[in-house]
Amino acid sequence: QKEVEQDPGPLSVPEGAIVSLNCTYSNSAFQYFMWYRQYSRKGPELLMYTYSSGNKEDGRFTAQVDKSSKYISLFIRDSQPSDSATYLCAMSWSNTGKLIFGQGTTLQVKP
Amino acid sequence: EPEVTQTPSHQVTQMGQEVILRCVPISNHLYFYWYRQILGQKVEFLVSFYNNEISEKSEIFDDQFSVERPDGSNFTLKIRSTKLEDSAMYFCASSLQGNQPQHFGDGTRLSIL
Repeated sequence: QKEVEQDPGPLSVPEGAIVSLNCTYSNSAFQYFMWYRQYSRKGPELLMYTYSSGNKEDGRFTAQVDKSSKYISLFIRDSQPSDSATYLCAMSWSNTGKLIFGQGTTLQVKP
Repeated sequence: EPEVTQTPSHQVTQMGQEVILRCVPISNHLYFYWYRQILGQKVEFLVSFYNNEISEKSEIFDDQFSVERPDGSNFTLKIRSTKLEDSAMYFCASSLQGNQPQHFGDGTRLSIL
């Protein structure tokens, strides 16, 4: 079983749709959960950072962590063509900061 | 907004040659990292660095790899004798503390011929 699993997509939605992106994981020791956005030929850009379980909202983005199900989600409301990118989930348990990444989901928002 | 900068953006090197990838982390950050991403694959952790020493490294980070903070601003990754399979995007990241969010540079694309 892979440590972090993420459907690579691609996921195509019309502009204005609500997008749901998900990751599952196997290591119950993970404590820190992140979502990054990566545009082509660019580095990962931090979107959301969550410690332990719960929800976090920032503008059009909501991150959810369900540690009992080992499942994390990122919701994007009112999606825009500029949201078209690859979305990476990442997790850590270590104070040294080692991140374990998912495969990334490619999202396309069509005008 | 402060950012992590990496140079060069693209490096082409003959197999067997040494290569040094350079990074300038965010100035008040204390933890530094290197990751790599082979085309079509996941971003993989290589090494973390704190207080002038390696704090954790992956299986990938063998004796051919080394990291250094030669001065107060730069953080480098050296590959001593490059192999074809070292071709990848290499990302540098930094964070304020080890369990704080990591901020990434835009990477160096390393092509080994």
